[in-house]
Amino acid sequence: AQTVTQSQPEMSVQEAETVTLSCTYDTSENNYYLFWYKQPPSRQMILVIRQEAYKQQNATENRFSVNFQKAAKSFSLKISDSQLGDTAMYFCAFMKPVRDNYGQNFVFGPGTRLSVLP
Amino acid sequence: GAGVSQSPSNKVTEKGKDVELRCDPISGHTALYWYRQSLGQGLEFLIYFQGNSAPDKSGLPSDRFSAERTGGSVSTLTIQRTQQEDSAVYLCASRWGQQGYEQYFGPGTRLTVT
Repeated sequence: AQTVTQSQPEMSVQEAETVTLSCTYDTSENNYYLFWYKQPPSRQMILVIRQEAYKQQNATENRFSVNFQKAAKSFSLKISDSQLGDTAMYFCAFMKPVRDNYGQNFVFGPGTRLSVLP
Repeated sequence: GAGVSQSPSNKVTEKGKDVELRCDPISGHTALYWYRQSLGQGLEFLIYFQGNSAPDKSGLPSDRFSAERTGGSVSTLTIQRTQQEDSAVYLCASRWGQQGYEQYFGPGTRLTVT
């Protein structure tokens, strides 16, 4: 079974600085998808960024970018120019190709609580 | 377009009562997931629907929990004889059935069992 690990339960960063959240996963699949979700105090889960494993280029969405290291099974999220509104729980998620009706083709990590300090 | 909606937003119930939580997925999304999230914790998978069928119920914690989905759309999660340990936020997510597409989450229902 796939597992997703986020080794940093909590992190903090000063406003306007850069922070990197780590995520590692374990799989024997070659083709899969990775996601970062953000859950602010409002508890609404929001997709931040997605990465297809077959793409070598790292995904970027404005101030958010990833460092995808397929061989190392690592998928870190970098937040540049941190803003107060970035304060949230961040979940890394893995999705394997759907070859069966197994609902746990979507696996979430335990989350990292990020606090952006003024 | 409308996102995933859940009702009620908050539910307080007495121990031993039954509760029903509702999820309206995004129109056209064939896959639907239920998760449980305890305070400050990660997501615990409960059940997955593909259309109206639930091929994966492996996450349901006990036989007090059940879920159904009708018309390939609305889903209801029912918890019978609620216990205090059932207190949590229950999140619903839907996804277009094709692989590679992300889940879209509802705002959740916060259940408190007193």
